[in-house]
Amino acid sequence: EADIYQTPRYLVIGTGKKITLECSQTMGHDKMYWYQQDPGMELHLIHYSYGVNSTEKGDLSSESTVSRIRTEHFPLTLESARPSHTSQYLCASSDSGARGQPQHFGDGTRLSIL
Amino acid sequence: QKEVEQDPGPLSVPEGAIVSLNCTYSNSAFQYFMWYRQYSRKGPELLMYTYSSGNKEDGRFTAQVDKSSKYISLFIRDSQPSDSATYLCAMSKNYKLTFGKGTLLTVNP
Repeated sequence: EADIYQTPRYLVIGTGKKITLECSQTMGHDKMYWYQQDPGMELHLIHYSYGVNSTEKGDLSSESTVSRIRTEHFPLTLESARPSHTSQYLCASSDSGARGQPQHFGDGTRLSIL
Repeated sequence: QKEVEQDPGPLSVPEGAIVSLNCTYSNSAFQYFMWYRQYSRKGPELLMYTYSSGNKEDGRFTAQVDKSSKYISLFIRDSQPSDSATYLCAMSKNYKLTFGKGTLLTVNP
């Protein structure tokens, strides 16, 4: 059973605000990921981390930033939210020691920027 | 051309039916093949994953991979209303996943 937690689950906020989406996992996985999911569209990777102090941008360009100071924690920050940032954000983790390194997902944060 | 193609459906079947969900892909470098189930307002849940051509069975679910045709399938036997969800195929290359758009399945009691 995957144990990966995202908070908040839902957030409605005005334009220009600074937002941090939290993601924590209790499985000791070294790799963590952030995806963006819009209705009827594929999940797109926006950030990933292979370990502490390692972060990389994903395939989909994003104005968000991430940090990985602790193994279990991988927050995503938007410095100044805009309506174009409205989407569902999904966090995932995987164990590099597991064959195929399947990714396990949290339940997501549904973000609406007014 | 997208690397992974998946018919978004929707697909509606009666309870007890056999369901077949499919994805095609164009990149022969994909190494692992996965199926995720996503209920409304939840995150994707890993159902099955495999790396070789052939079949892998887990209860009512069978994953099939045909690397020569670049085609993967998920079969659900004796489908239940609780199987109603969006099913996502995903393929791994260097441990990065590429997803299909997902197929919305409804199983009617």
